[in-house]
Amino acid sequence: DGGITQSPKYLFRKEGQNVTLSCEQNLNHDAMYWYRQDPGQGLRLIYYSQIVNDFQKGDIAEGYSVSREKKESFPLTVTSAQKNPTAFYLCASSIPTYNEQFFGPGTRLTVL
Amino acid sequence: AQSVAQPEDQVNVAEGNPLTVKCTYSVSGNPYLFWYVQYPNRGLQFLLKYITGDNLVKGSYGFEAEFNKSQTSFHLKKPSALVSDSALYFCAVRDMGQAGTALIFGKGTTLSVSS
Repeated sequence: DGGITQSPKYLFRKEGQNVTLSCEQNLNHDAMYWYRQDPGQGLRLIYYSQIVNDFQKGDIAEGYSVSREKKESFPLTVTSAQKNPTAFYLCASSIPTYNEQFFGPGTRLTVL
Repeated sequence: AQSVAQPEDQVNVAEGNPLTVKCTYSVSGNPYLFWYVQYPNRGLQFLLKYITGDNLVKGSYGFEAEFNKSQTSFHLKKPSALVSDSALYFCAVRDMGQAGTALIFGKGTTLSVSS
């Protein structure tokens, strides 16, 4: 999975709790992304960041937050405001000039 | 609005036969198109891309894709399928709008290759 690590692989959360998913890359890529994958729905963009200390909302940002304090790291927090957080979360990075994105192995979040 | 469609939820082929996984797109301007493969509980792996140039693009693991501008299609092909090709395949187009370099994905097509 090409220099991008995500942790943990599996995460269980009780309703009402915030959880943070880790994403780290050593590819020296400027851009990083978070996607959510649900069965039969493909991938949907949550947040993206083109450069350190800057990020933008994607299509389904409600109930999520991110930070980009370092080039290598782009953590995602799933807040209690996210009504249906159970999903597979994928982090990706790229050089933002027409190149493909490289994906991490994913984190499967389950709300109990 | 930009979009990608994968009209088949599942494609079934026998090992050794050619395979095609279909993708059509709708974008303003010139499309940047991608194919990815996903194995169960794993991240996506890049297969190939079309940015410009030759309409037939060759990628990893013997896969290729044909860009057809008039039909707005970017079908994934392989001359001889392997059982190990069984996986979930995603077509994607670069979002040229607000989301900068993010990708818009189709819903995916499950490829099942039988021995």
